[in-house]
Amino acid sequence: DAGITQSPRYKITETGRQVTLMCHQTWSHSYMFWYRQDLGHGLRLIYYSAAADITDKGEVPDGYVVSRSKTENFPLTLESATRSQTSVYFCASSGGVRTEAFFGQGTRLTVV
Amino acid sequence: GQQVMQIPQYQHVQEGEDFTTYCNSSTTLSNIQWYKQRPGGHPVFLIQLVKSGEVKKQKRLTFQFGEAKKNSSLHITATQTTDVGTYFCAGTGSNYKLTFGKGTLLTVNP
Repeated sequence: DAGITQSPRYKITETGRQVTLMCHQTWSHSYMFWYRQDLGHGLRLIYYSAAADITDKGEVPDGYVVSRSKTENFPLTLESATRSQTSVYFCASSGGVRTEAFFGQGTRLTVV
Repeated sequence: GQQVMQIPQYQHVQEGEDFTTYCNSSTTLSNIQWYKQRPGGHPVFLIQLVKSGEVKKQKRLTFQFGEAKKNSSLHITATQTTDVGTYFCAGTGSNYKLTFGKGTLLTVNP
């Protein structure tokens, strides 16, 4: 299927567990982004990437790890999940610096 | 670091009334983008402005980019119930980092 897909759509995990959120895009877009969305905070940038093996920290990177070994994949790992990481996570991609970003459907993560 | 502020946070209008949301950046932006997120959905791109003072229209929506490229606005004329959602502005600064404002949640009373 063409587009940008996130998996899983919903995830419940326990405090202290490692969890990985997947993001896959089929456009070969260079730029990819991870955001978290919380009520009252809008979309906050966690990590972003300009190409394979190039990643940068966003506004709220603590507690998260990313990798980008292939252009089409940009997984986000919570190394030791905390309740404060309960959120909706959106992955996005764009073909250029000043081109529109396409968002995935989001992953709703609950840490108990 | 680059910050994008957006006001108001919430706006409730009667159907047919106008609506405006404002976006301000702490730094000069190379471009400003606007997105709409329907309740339960994901952000969807509406438009991009790149030139100082640029104005673009999409039917009842008017977008402006300030002369200093640090502020922008979205104005909706005669709102409809289909306009309900959260409107985000997003800017790209000196690097490729795409930073979003907190958004304005628009509700429309029919």
